[in-house]
Amino acid sequence: SQQGEEDPQALSIQEGENATMNCSYKTSINNLQWYRQNSGRGLVHLILIRSNEREKHSGRLRVTLDTSKKSSSLLITASRAADTASYFCATEKGTQGAQKLVFGQGTRLTINP
Amino acid sequence: DTEVTQTPKHLVMGMTNKKSLKCEQHMGHRAMYWYKQKAKKPPELMFVYSYEKLSINESVPSRFSPECPNSSLLNLHLHALQPEDSALYLCASSQVPGWRKAFFGQGTRLTVV
Repeated sequence: SQQGEEDPQALSIQEGENATMNCSYKTSINNLQWYRQNSGRGLVHLILIRSNEREKHSGRLRVTLDTSKKSSSLLITASRAADTASYFCATEKGTQGAQKLVFGQGTRLTINP
Repeated sequence: DTEVTQTPKHLVMGMTNKKSLKCEQHMGHRAMYWYKQKAKKPPELMFVYSYEKLSINESVPSRFSPECPNSSLLNLHLHALQPEDSALYLCASSQVPGWRKAFFGQGTRLTVV
């Protein structure tokens, strides 16, 4: 089973609008990461937020983390057609030396021109 | 060089065939991974290699056989696959220990006929 659960599963907005995606997880984490995947291609790392951080920015991306609610959100501001992709949150699981990255179910984002 | 290169990009094989997927990185990463991804689903971890040793096998059927000849190369040997094994196979790498940022290849689209 996946550690993270994203919502919404699919999101369609107009170019220029902001897009917000949420991720919930079940167990304690060291950090949470967000990845983007264009259709049928590899994943690209977007941003990592540590468990002691509450908010992080990178360009048009803003990520928040609420460890008390075990949730994170990814905000993409001023969306562009090129932002159309699937977005996954991911958390580490396992012990030192045997860790793995587990992905949530993902949000499919469509930006309409 | 921040790329993970996977070959081939597409592969069609019969259920009695033997084939191999290849993955290469030159970033000095000492952890490499195989993921399987079905359509509209998140990537699912198959194997983890840490310092060229297999550290995680997620109960993958023996018809999938991983191999890490050296720190830059990762292979996945395929034999007697089933049609349900058709999927996108993703290779990734990261620095060790733990996951801080994973780099993914573009994947091999495998079709078993």
